[in-house]
Amino acid sequence: GAGVSQSPSNKVTEKGKDVELRCDPISGHTALYWYRQSLGQGLEFLIYFQGNSAPDKSGLPSDRFSAERTGGSVSTLTIQRTQQEDSAVYLCASSLRGQPIAYEQYFGPGTRLTVT
Amino acid sequence: GDSVTQMEGPVTLSEEAFLTINCTYTATGYPSLFWYVQYPGEGLQLLLKATKADDKGSNKGFEATYRKETTSFHLEKGSVQVSDSAVYFCALKDNQGGKLIFGQGTELSVKP
Repeated sequence: GAGVSQSPSNKVTEKGKDVELRCDPISGHTALYWYRQSLGQGLEFLIYFQGNSAPDKSGLPSDRFSAERTGGSVSTLTIQRTQQEDSAVYLCASSLRGQPIAYEQYFGPGTRLTVT
Repeated sequence: GDSVTQMEGPVTLSEEAFLTINCTYTATGYPSLFWYVQYPGEGLQLLLKATKADDKGSNKGFEATYRKETTSFHLEKGSVQVSDSAVYFCALKDNQGGKLIFGQGTELSVKP
């Protein structure tokens, strides 16, 4: 079946512009995660959605970052007033549920964001 | 907070050599432990996992044993192949939330 898809695959933007990154999780997966992979920081958790529960936003690095998940499916990560340090690969993952703890997270191919 | 530390790379081995990539963790409670692999140009894939102490995860000839007493989850393979060249990430997932906490990744290069 279809895996996690993300769009765009690459995004180049100017400093100060806003960007939106999209994630389509695997159908039927109730948990959705955003991570960021950068050279300096490795793989960092950003935000986690589980069903209709309030999202875990504890990994968002600043208030310029926000995310929503509409209808329990597609998610959009928005970065406002982008900075050069936002340049990274943004990964989305989904799992059947967030708990119990053994459910596998399936990752998308990522969106490479470059802020010039 | 919870954290994962893994050996730095890059690690370069000859084909058929024995591989060990060390991973240790700090966590409250009893997390689940994972190894993910990222092949060149591809996305992250789960390689293996272990959910409780003394569990051994295995896949594609790779193994790792959850050692609570040493808080470790070292990845091993008896005979590596060129196709194993990739970046390997150790990760934990606590039993309170859903997020994965990753180590910094270890790049493995296997030469023929």
